[in-house]
Amino acid sequence: SQKIEQNSEALNIQEGKTATLTCNYTNYSPAYLQWYRQDPGRGPVFLLLIRENEKEKRKERLKVTFDTTLKQSLFHITASQPADSATYLCALNYGQNFVFGPGTRLSVLP
Amino acid sequence: DAEITQSPRHKITETGRQVTLACHQTWNHNNMFWYRQDLGHGLRLIHYSYGVQDTNKGEVSDGYSVSRSNTEDLPLTLESAASSQTSVYFCASSGQAGETQYFGPGTRLLVL
Repeated sequence: SQKIEQNSEALNIQEGKTATLTCNYTNYSPAYLQWYRQDPGRGPVFLLLIRENEKEKRKERLKVTFDTTLKQSLFHITASQPADSATYLCALNYGQNFVFGPGTRLSVLP
Repeated sequence: DAEITQSPRHKITETGRQVTLACHQTWNHNNMFWYRQDLGHGLRLIHYSYGVQDTNKGEVSDGYSVSRSNTEDLPLTLESAASSQTSVYFCASSGQAGETQYFGPGTRLLVL
């Protein structure tokens, strides 16, 4: 069955630094991958989508890479701010549905 | 503005009782999904629907059922609630299969 791992359950970084979150998967080949943000007590909110033929995607301070050989996606937040503190989920398409990773809780310290 | 809502937001029930969680979306999306979220497991798919009268089982469907009688609603029923079903439940919708999903605010269910 498909398995998705995200680098760590929690990640603490200093304000202004770049946060890098990792999503690794095994046992299948998704056509595309999404990243979501989830704040406590709320549902996930879509951030970025990247397709298998795209190496990199950017949106403001966010950057996503997708390496189908390594079966890995990296999610970067540059110039991080305390407001970026949240849980970040990666999701890979499986057929017409998605499989979600367990998430990484990011804390940006002032 | 289009939205997706869930009710109730919090529910406490007893083991063995039937519980129904409501999900309503005004996006006019064909696809609707129910997930449960537990510590250490992330979001797991319970049931999904690609249109009216269409329902499908997800990864963790045992003990749950759904029905789709119109585009806007996909209620989730726990036939006989069990303590293992204590969780946070999220409903989501998307316009096309595999597209971005829009999530509701969640329902926190406690089964005693």
